[in-house]
Amino acid sequence: AQTVTQSQPEMSVQEAETVTLSCTYDTSESDYYLFWYKQPPSRQMILVIRQEAYKQQNATENRFSVNFQKAAKSFSLKISDSQLGDAAMYFCAYRSGRDDKIIFGKGTRLHILP
Amino acid sequence: EADIYQTPRYLVIGTGKKITLECSQTMGHDKMYWYQQDPGMELHLIHYSYGVNSTEKGDLSSESTVSRIRTEHFPLTLESARPSHTSQYLCASSEFKYQETQYFGPGTRLLVL
Repeated sequence: AQTVTQSQPEMSVQEAETVTLSCTYDTSESDYYLFWYKQPPSRQMILVIRQEAYKQQNATENRFSVNFQKAAKSFSLKISDSQLGDAAMYFCAYRSGRDDKIIFGKGTRLHILP
Repeated sequence: EADIYQTPRYLVIGTGKKITLECSQTMGHDKMYWYQQDPGMELHLIHYSYGVNSTEKGDLSSESTVSRIRTEHFPLTLESARPSHTSQYLCASSEFKYQETQYFGPGTRLLVL
């Protein structure tokens, strides 16, 4: 069975600095998709970034980028120029290429220090 | 933000009551999902649907039931609420195509006394 591990329950970063959230996963499959979701306090969960496993190039969305290391089964999220609005719970998620269920990690709560 | 809605947003109810949590989406998505999330914890899939008249149980056993009579509507029902049902319930939807992204509703926070 696939698993997703986020080893950092909480992190803090100074506003305007860069922070990296780690995520590792375990799978025997070669075809899968990885996601980072953001859940602000009392607000809707939204997709931050998505990576297809067959793509070698790391996905980037504005200030958000990933470091996808397929061999190491690592999928970290880098947030550049952190803003107060980035404060949220961040979930790493895995979806098999074979079925529709997404497996979520336990989440990392990110605090932005002004 | 995605066009997926959940009502009520907050619900406090007594033990033994029947409740229905509503979820609707206006994106025409075929797939819909229900997750249960305890505060500060990960999401657990409890139900999903591939389309009208399709319902499947998720990875986490749940005493709730779901129905999918219309594409846009995926309500979750608890016949007899218990304190152990206290949690946040998140609804999500996605298109029926390869590598689709799930879009989440705002969630319903349920407290059973």
